[in-house]
Amino acid sequence: GESVGLHLPTLSVQEGDNSIINCAYSNSASDYFIWYKQESGKGPQFIIDIRSNMDKRQGQRVTVLLNKTVKHLSLQIAATQPGDSAVYFCAENKGNNDMRFGAGTRLTVKP
Amino acid sequence: DTEVTQTPKHLVMGMTNKKSLKCEQHMGHRAMYWYKQKAKKPPELMFVYSYEKLSINESVPSRFSPECPNSSLLNLHLHALQPEDSALYLCASSHRAGGSNEQFFGPGTRLTVL
Repeated sequence: GESVGLHLPTLSVQEGDNSIINCAYSNSASDYFIWYKQESGKGPQFIIDIRSNMDKRQGQRVTVLLNKTVKHLSLQIAATQPGDSAVYFCAENKGNNDMRFGAGTRLTVKP
Repeated sequence: DTEVTQTPKHLVMGMTNKKSLKCEQHMGHRAMYWYKQKAKKPPELMFVYSYEKLSINESVPSRFSPECPNSSLLNLHLHALQPEDSALYLCASSHRAGGSNEQFFGPGTRLTVL
């Protein structure tokens, strides 16, 4: 069936570098996407979202890019900090509160 | 109050026990959710309540029984669980039913079934 997935299960970056976390989705009908951050022992925390009528959205130190042509979503974190170490999930909202999560990428920030 | 609370934080139960997980939010949200998360896996949607009515039931075994007594509370009743049901159970809420809106997650209940 159609699903949301991630290219890489782990990503290790140096503190201060930029991080890029990728996500591939296959449900072309989905019109809303969210990136979540989950730290150990906590529930997922909303980072940023984007609707399908946009291709870029910026937040504080984070940018989400959406390429509907190739069904690809990415999360860019600028000047990555140790506190950014966590598992990052992309999720698609298929409507009617039906949220589906991708596999997740573990980001490790090295000091 | 901008958080979702869940109790208990940890629960250990035998396969013949009956227990309940509780979730509460006071943000005025009208949609509430239960997710199951196994270790190193993404959250999997179990149930969605919209305006206190069950709107999505993801073919979850009947040993899991959700209940939404009012717009602020969500329960998950557990009975005759199996060891493979051990997982982190996450509750979430969102502002309104339908459409695109942020879900706020609680910290979860870590359940162990012996």
